[in-house]
Amino acid sequence: DGGITQSPKYLFRKEGQNVTLSCEQNLNHDAMYWYRQDPGQGLRLIYYSQIVNDFQKGDIAEGYSVSREKKESFPLTVTSAQKNPTAFYLCASSIAGNTEAFFGQGTRLTVV
Amino acid sequence: QQPVQSPQAVILREGEDAVINCSSSKALYSVHWYRQKHGEAPVFLMILLKGGEQKGHEKISASFNEKKQQSSLYLTASQLSYSGTYFCGTEWNTGNQFYFGTGTSLTVIP
Repeated sequence: DGGITQSPKYLFRKEGQNVTLSCEQNLNHDAMYWYRQDPGQGLRLIYYSQIVNDFQKGDIAEGYSVSREKKESFPLTVTSAQKNPTAFYLCASSIAGNTEAFFGQGTRLTVV
Repeated sequence: QQPVQSPQAVILREGEDAVINCSSSKALYSVHWYRQKHGEAPVFLMILLKGGEQKGHEKISASFNEKKQQSSLYLTASQLSYSGTYFCGTEWNTGNQFYFGTGTSLTVIP
């Protein structure tokens, strides 16, 4: 079955540690996105990529990094520079602009 | 850059209607609507392209006014299953960043 998979579903990390969230899709989509969701703030765009080896910052990229070495994979690293990393993170993909976005089930990151 | 939705929250009784609005500060190329149940991924409802089109999906429909840079989602004769958080997603140019709105929490009660 085609889809987009995020792992893990829950992640706990100590403050000051970097952590990488996985996002894999087998839909052959060119565009991939990372969003952060906090209560009452909707979905805020962290990074997006429209093609392999290329990505752009969204509104809240500070403290995050990404890579797009393969079309199907778009991992997000939450670095120690991110001041408030505890949140629900959603990855999405689409064929291109102007088309439906498919979402993964999300990763809930808790930093203690 | 995030589109603004209104209202932030609404509570309806089964069978009542609701309207959710999405406003952008920039000219829009297209608008998407999604619904998210608690703890789940957002699910696509519909997409509207510029041109002032209107779309329907059972008892859920939407309009897109590109001049006003607004879209509205209409839910008629609401059902319990309509409960969730609704998001609009906006594109300013095709292939550009895809931004989601602030969200509207909708609760339908018996």
